[in-house]
Amino acid sequence: SQTIHQWPATLVQPVGSPLSLECTVEGTSNPNLYWYRQAAGRGLQLLFYSVGIGQISSEVPQNLSASRPQDRQFILSSKKLLLSDSGFYLCAWSQGGQYSQPQHFGDGTRLSIL
Amino acid sequence: QKEVEQDPGPLSVPEGAIVSLNCTYSNSAFQYFMWYRQYSRKGPELLMYTYSSGNKEDGRFTAQVDKSSKYISLFIRDSQPSDSATYLCAYDSGAGSYQLTFGKGTKLSVIP
Repeated sequence: SQTIHQWPATLVQPVGSPLSLECTVEGTSNPNLYWYRQAAGRGLQLLFYSVGIGQISSEVPQNLSASRPQDRQFILSSKKLLLSDSGFYLCAWSQGGQYSQPQHFGDGTRLSIL
Repeated sequence: QKEVEQDPGPLSVPEGAIVSLNCTYSNSAFQYFMWYRQYSRKGPELLMYTYSSGNKEDGRFTAQVDKSSKYISLFIRDSQPSDSATYLCAYDSGAGSYQLTFGKGTKLSVIP
């Protein structure tokens, strides 16, 4: 069966520091991968998605970037964090090569910027 | 007009009650419908995935889709305290997109 791992679960960072959140998927190959941010009252906001290694689509211009160095690894980064980057970050995967597939989420990283 | 409307609640019911959660949507291109359950400080978990109009049942959960009215519902029978969570509806247009459109979620509390 497929599993998705996200770490760390909680992170507290000072303003201006760098960020690296990692997500890995097991039990499937060539998945579509997604990064979301969830803020209270604002729902799930899609940040980036990837349909293959090195292929990244950005949905929201911002202080963040994403990379997919391996088939089942997705990384969310920032060079300098802003206060507004605080939130709950979720990684998700769906079946690769097929449209209209449900997405499956990790347990998220709660990021607090001080 | 927002693409997806979902009452945020909170909705509070006694244990054993039948719960009805609803979403309306405006985009007639939506073809695939999902319900997710999200516990506090956890990621959303897929509960139901359906394409056609009508009902789909899985244990105590029933998803209902009415494409003509652009309305979907999730019914929970014999609700339990463990059902206390936020429920999100989600849609996919099926038109060559890998993306989903999510509702903002309804927070449900089942009181013992």
